[in-house]
Parts: sequence; C-alpha cells; structure tokens
Amino acid sequence: GAVVSQHPSRVICKSGTSVKIECRSLDFQATTMFWYRQFPKQSLMLMATSNEGSKATYEQGVEKDKFLINHASLTLSTLTVTSAHPEDSSFYICSALGLAHEQYFGPGTRLTVT
Amino acid sequence: TQLLEQSPQFLSIQEGENLTVYCNSSSVFSSLQWYRQEPGEGPVLLVTVVTGGEVKKLKRLTFQFGDARKDSSLHITAAQPGDTGLYLCAARPNYGGATNKLIFGTGTLLAVQP
Repeated sequence: GAVVSQHPSRVICKSGTSVKIECRSLDFQATTMFWYRQFPKQSLMLMATSNEGSKATYEQGVEKDKFLINHASLTLSTLTVTSAHPEDSSFYICSALGLAHEQYFGPGTRLTVT
Repeated sequence: TQLLEQSPQFLSIQEGENLTVYCNSSSVFSSLQWYRQEPGEGPVLLVTVVTGGEVKKLKRLTFQFGDARKDSSLHITAAQPGDTGLYLCAARPNYGGATNKLIFGTGTLLAVQP
C-alpha cells in the first residue's frame, strides 16, 4: 500500500525559533497533500491543503505567515512553524492524496516548544 | 461549516462488552469513512461507506451508513483491549471546489479494560 513518511517524528525547539516538518510520499506521486493539527485526545483539524507548484490553501483561522507550506515536488511537502511558541506545541499529521482520491496518512510529528 | 458530531466523546468499558459509536451531521455526504488512531500515530482507515443504508462488517466491527447519508454508526461486538483507541469518522465536504478535503468528526476515545 501507499506509504507516507514524516520527519522528524519528534522535535523539541525553543520559543522563538522555527522548525520544519517534512512529509514524503514514498511510493507514489502526490500533487495534493494535507496538513492537520491534533491536540491531545482531540480530533484532527485540517490546517491547509498543499498543492504542488502553487500556493497552499489555508483553512479559516490558520495563519499562513505562521505556518509556511512548501510543496516543492510531487513527493515532498514541508510545514515550517515560524517563531514557534509553546501554544504551537501539538501533533502535526500530513496526508497525501492518491490517484483514487484516497488520503494516506503519515505517522505524525510531535512538536514541543519550550 | 459541515460538522461531524460524534457520540459519545469518551467511553470506558470492560472487555467483552458491546458498544456503538455515532457520527451525525446535518449535511449529506457522498461517502463517509471511519478511522482508528492509536497514541502517537497517524489514523488508519477502517472502512469507507458509500451507499445510503449500507452495512459493512470488519470482523467484530459493523459499520452502517444512514439511509439519508447524513449519519453513520460503528458497532463493536465483544470489545477487546486491542480495540482501545481514538475512533474518527470523516467525510468530504460538499461545498464547491473542495471535494478532496477530508473533515474529521469530533472523535470518540475508547478504552477497553481487561
């Protein structure tokens, strides 16, 4: 089956710094990827749709200058949390859209901002 | 915004008991999916239901799509500790140009005690 990886799986950064999270589709090409955020014991909240070769589409209430998304190739999308603060600490999950419009989810990245 | 409300939000039961999780919306969906997520991992697709009134079985799990395609249920028979996890329903919103986005329900956290 289709595999999506995320790197890193865990990251701790200091307040004010930026951190980049990578999402890769390992065995298929994905023109569309999605980024979700999840707080403990809560559901996934869609942050943005990442489109290869064009700007990302952000959901209402998500700051595009805070969460920079770059879909540089058909197998890689990156999410950069800029000037991170403790309230940005969360579990970030990406997914990649397959040819049959199925979403394949990555294993998630745990971000802790100290 | 098309909301997917799940109930109950939390459920703690003994091994061997049966349970039902509900996913309700005021909107009609062309299809609906159920996922299970374990802590620190991405969600894993359990089933996709497409036809109103459809019933699908996956071992001890029975999924039903409402006749009007606005709601769905997940029934687990003889729950086991391995069923513990966060259960999420998800569907694609119907507003124009967004058919590939996946919106998740509010989630049901299930704990099965041995």
